[in-house]
Amino acid sequence: AQKITQTQPGMFVQEKEAVTLDCTYDTSDPSYGLFWYKQPSSGEMIFLIYQGSYDQQNATEGRYSLNFQKARKSANLVISASQLGDSAMYFCAMREGPTGGFKTIFGAGTRLFVKA
Amino acid sequence: KAGVTQTPRYLIKTRGQQVTLSCSPISGHRSVSWYQQTPGQGLQFLFEYFSETQRNKGNFPGRFSGRQFSNSRSEMNVSTLELGDSALYLCASSWTGAETYEQYFGPGTRLTVT
Repeated sequence: AQKITQTQPGMFVQEKEAVTLDCTYDTSDPSYGLFWYKQPSSGEMIFLIYQGSYDQQNATEGRYSLNFQKARKSANLVISASQLGDSAMYFCAMREGPTGGFKTIFGAGTRLFVKA
Repeated sequence: KAGVTQTPRYLIKTRGQQVTLSCSPISGHRSVSWYQQTPGQGLQFLFEYFSETQRNKGNFPGRFSGRQFSNSRSEMNVSTLELGDSALYLCASSWTGAETYEQYFGPGTRLTVT
């Protein structure tokens, strides 16, 4: 069954340091996409980064990178040089391909606090 | 390019009433998904529409329904509202809804049922 697990309910990081948010997933669909979203207190979900199941290289978008370990079924988000504005809720999501009916599920989220 | 828009942004309804929420996707996007977000249950998938057809449905009662129009705009309807329906309802659009395309979310509609 499709499943996403984020084991860190809350994380603290010092400004300008790097932080890793964990995400593990489970699916039997060979084709899937992994996504990370940021949700500030305003409530809007902001797309950060995408990794496809067939991608050989880890995705990067500015200060965000996705550490994709397919055999371990993990897709951790790394934020480099944390900023105060990074304080928010972060969600890992997975979308299955046609075999799985294009279903999307989200993890429970990790609340990140950036300290000055 | 305009983002995903949702109307209304806030809504207060009484138990037993019905409500209709609207979502306009990013121009060119044909897939629209709806999610319910609550503190207790997190983000839960409601349904997805692609080219006016419901492609997927989550585990919600039949009181929750939706539709998509030919211009890709979507509406969701909740009938016979219950207190537990109080939540943030998020709409997301994607070009095709395939697993290779990200979804872009609207600001959400915060529904309060009293």
